[in-house]
Amino acid sequence: DQQVKQNSPSLSVQEGRISILNCDYTNSMFDYFLWYKKYPAEGPTFLISISSIKDKNEDGRFTVFLNKSAKHLSLHIVPSQPGDSAVYFCAATWAGGYQKVTFGTGTKLQVIP
Amino acid sequence: GAVVSQHPSWVICKSGTSVKIECRSLDFQATTMFWYRQFPKQSLMLMATSNEGSKATYEQGVEKDKFLINHASLTLSTLTVTSAHPEDSSFYICSARVPATSGNTIYFGEGSWLTVV
Repeated sequence: DQQVKQNSPSLSVQEGRISILNCDYTNSMFDYFLWYKKYPAEGPTFLISISSIKDKNEDGRFTVFLNKSAKHLSLHIVPSQPGDSAVYFCAATWAGGYQKVTFGTGTKLQVIP
Repeated sequence: GAVVSQHPSWVICKSGTSVKIECRSLDFQATTMFWYRQFPKQSLMLMATSNEGSKATYEQGVEKDKFLINHASLTLSTLTVTSAHPEDSSFYICSARVPATSGNTIYFGEGSWLTVV
């Protein structure tokens, strides 16, 4: 049972434009969400997180939006840069889950110069 | 800089031997660490939860006798792949949560690529 889903396995965006990566979850117990960027053969790099008490969190070019009623979150990257090309994972956790993080399947972002 | 460090980054071992991977939290104490495995082009799969001073909690389907986890101190957890076989070749990653007073974010190590020949 995939509790965190990223339905788009890949995404191509022109440099300078906005990249929008989507993530859906099914477990209503999740109360903390994270986005990670990952290059091949490297560990995930933390990008940004959001608590369920918020609906938006912004950090530089990265903004995460959370729609709890729809169990949906998205990561916006503006403007997109070629160095942003990587696989992006969304992840979810909750206090009752003993800190375990459940990952989505990932979306491969390619930013075209 | 990295707050969770893994070692080694790359390791090649012969089939039938054991190999140990270390995960260290830098500048903070982690009572709980997590070990993941990533297969090519797939998401990260949680293998086990490493608890300081007690036995690890393994996810369903993960062989506890094959993947030995030791959380010897508040800053170190080790994963030992015993009697390794080629199908154990994979990318192994650990993570730890920074205490809530420091942001409560979960950071990952750099990962360790294991190749069993």
